[in-house]
Amino acid sequence: DTGVSQDPRHKITKRGQNVTFRCDPISEHNRLYWYRQTLGQGPEFLTYFQNEAQLEKSRLLSDRFSAERPKGSFSTLEIQRTEQGDSAMYLCASSLATLQFDEQFFGPGTRLTVL
Amino acid sequence: AQSVAQPEDQVNVAEGNPLTVKCTYSVSGNPYLFWYVQYPNRGLQFLLKYITGDNLVKGSYGFEAEFNKSQTSFHLKKPSALVSDSALYFCAVRDMKSSYKLIFGSGTRLLVRP
Repeated sequence: DTGVSQDPRHKITKRGQNVTFRCDPISEHNRLYWYRQTLGQGPEFLTYFQNEAQLEKSRLLSDRFSAERPKGSFSTLEIQRTEQGDSAMYLCASSLATLQFDEQFFGPGTRLTVL
Repeated sequence: AQSVAQPEDQVNVAEGNPLTVKCTYSVSGNPYLFWYVQYPNRGLQFLLKYITGDNLVKGSYGFEAEFNKSQTSFHLKKPSALVSDSALYFCAVRDMKSSYKLIFGSGTRLLVRP
């Protein structure tokens, strides 16, 4: 499968624990995005990378959230001291920058449940 | 501020009938517009996009969308609905000038009854 992959697909954790999610983009894609989707809502932008540089962060990304893309390939999203309000689907997308536009391809998501 | 509105939480149609899922947007510059579909326990799948040019855009699975600049709308249409089209549909916009992020609407659930 050459699409965007995310691991794990599901994560259940207790409040206060740290969690880390991984995203592997489509291999030649240089842009990588993280979104969060809560029940009944559309995805909300969290952050994006171009290669290894984190170029934009949403105000939704509190200081408990950190994202990295160390070698411009896979990315990790860590949430420290999880809260029940962090329960959501975390979606990763990737794209290949072109002169015209970049179409974002989404992974299956990681569903986080904080008890 | 950029925003997308999908005024209908759910659209119900009979199989074989035409369907329309509505979307309006607000951006400061010229928009890139997208439709995505989401099936249960799966990620978002790209359907179609409007960048520039012809206002009628054709996409995957027989879907099309019409860009209307004066009404700031980008409604999704299909001439003949299938039961398998039942899913959650999201409209999204990207401001060409300011950012690469997508701003999504809240989604419309399409239910096609046999």
